[in-house]
Amino acid sequence: AQSVTQLDSHVSVSEGTPVLLRCNYSSSYSPSLFWYVQHPNKGLQLLLKYTSAATLVKGINGFEAEFKKSETSFHLTKPSAHMSDAAEYFCVVSSNNNDMRFGAGTRLTVKP
Amino acid sequence: GAGVSQTPSNKVTEKGKYVELRCDPISGHTALYWYRQSLGQGPEFLIYFQGTGAADDSGLPNDRFFAVRPEGSVSTLKIQRTERGDSAVYLCASSLTGTPGGTQYFGPGTRLLVL
Repeated sequence: AQSVTQLDSHVSVSEGTPVLLRCNYSSSYSPSLFWYVQHPNKGLQLLLKYTSAATLVKGINGFEAEFKKSETSFHLTKPSAHMSDAAEYFCVVSSNNNDMRFGAGTRLTVKP
Repeated sequence: GAGVSQTPSNKVTEKGKYVELRCDPISGHTALYWYRQSLGQGPEFLIYFQGTGAADDSGLPNDRFFAVRPEGSVSTLKIQRTERGDSAVYLCASSLTGTPGGTQYFGPGTRLLVL
């Protein structure tokens, strides 16, 4: 069985400050982990993914995430938030099949 | 095409009616996935196709839901005797090979409202 828990349903930051979106996973196998972003009325877009290579994964738009097996975490970070980062973010786990399990999502608000 | 497309973008129907939702995957992608996203939740897996065959339909909630992909490209999700609880955004995704851990590319979704 596999699942993800996104620890915050809503995160609010000021423009130019760091972003941290937290994700913990549960998986019986070596997982693949993803972060997707969903802007209003737009499709889900892949930010980055971890597939057992380097534990620090760099994605698009300045986002990165670190796979920590000991903590079963895959938190998403960005050094400096931009207004355009405001969206819904989903952490996703996939094991040795094509069953992708999404977290409930974290809504990021960026204040000017 | 440039990306995954889904039609219609919005569908309003009455309880008990039949609906079809269409997905056009990225050209050349052999794997196709359907998800359902209810309000305030993450997408939930419904079914996965590899080519023309349904490789995993374990996410379909009941036998009112059915999906086909007859030529290994376009897919149609069919819902019979719709219920108000079927109201959600239905997302389609495709990936190049369907390899576990492969990137899935999502369409914009079809927003279904059952009155």
